[in-house]
Amino acid sequence: QKEVEQNSGPLSVPEGAIASLNCTYSDRVSQSFFWYRQYSGKSPELIMSIYSNGDKEDGRFTAQLNKASQYVSLLIRDSQPSDSATYLCAVNPGGYQKVTFGTGTKLQVIP
Amino acid sequence: ETGVTQSPTHLIKTRGQQVTLRCSSQSGHNTVSWYQQALGQGPQFIFQYYREEENGRGNFPPRFSGLQFPNYSSELNVNALELDDSALYLCASYSGGPETQYFGPGTRLLVL
Repeated sequence: QKEVEQNSGPLSVPEGAIASLNCTYSDRVSQSFFWYRQYSGKSPELIMSIYSNGDKEDGRFTAQLNKASQYVSLLIRDSQPSDSATYLCAVNPGGYQKVTFGTGTKLQVIP
Repeated sequence: ETGVTQSPTHLIKTRGQQVTLRCSSQSGHNTVSWYQQALGQGPQFIFQYYREEENGRGNFPPRFSGLQFPNYSSELNVNALELDDSALYLCASYSGGPETQYFGPGTRLLVL
C-alpha cells in the first residue's frame, strides 16, 4: 500500500464548477497535511495546509481532513482555466520530519 | 518566485559519472530537503539537513549523499549515475515546520 494515494486523473471540470480532489494516507501518526499545486515544468507551490479534523477555507480553496478515515480532500470552487495543474497531496508526522507526497492528480478546467 | 535557488537548471551526464547539485535556501530557513521527481510521479524524499546535520533519509542508496553549509545552502551528490536517476531534483527549505516549505525551481538531470 502506498503511503499517500491519489487518483492520477485527469480530472476534467468545466469553468465555474467545483473541482474535488481526494487523497488517502496510510500512516496514522501523520499530523500535518498539505496540498501543493504544480504547473507543468514548474516546482510545487504550497496552497493549503491543514492539521485538525474538519474544513479549512482560504479563498476559493477548502481543505477537508478526516483522520479517522485517513482522508484529505481539496475543493476548488469557481474553477478557472488557470487552476489547470497537478495537485499533490502531502503528509508529515510533525515537526522536522520528512514530507511524503502522493503521485498527484492532474486537473483540467475546460473553458 | 521563492527565495530558493538551484543550480544548474539542466544537466546531461552519462551512466557511471558523478554529479553535484546545489541549492541556496531562503533567507532565515535552517532546514533543506532534497526530493527526486520522476516524470509523472510525485516528489520522493531523498534526505533532509537541519543545521548542517542529516536528520532524515528516504529510501535512496548511499550513492546519494549531501552536505549543508553554515549559511544553510546545500549540495546533493550522486555517484555512479544510473539511467533511472534521470529526474527533476528539487530542494526545499523551511524553518519551524514544513508549512513554511518553499521549493526551488529544480535541476533537471538526464543520464544517458
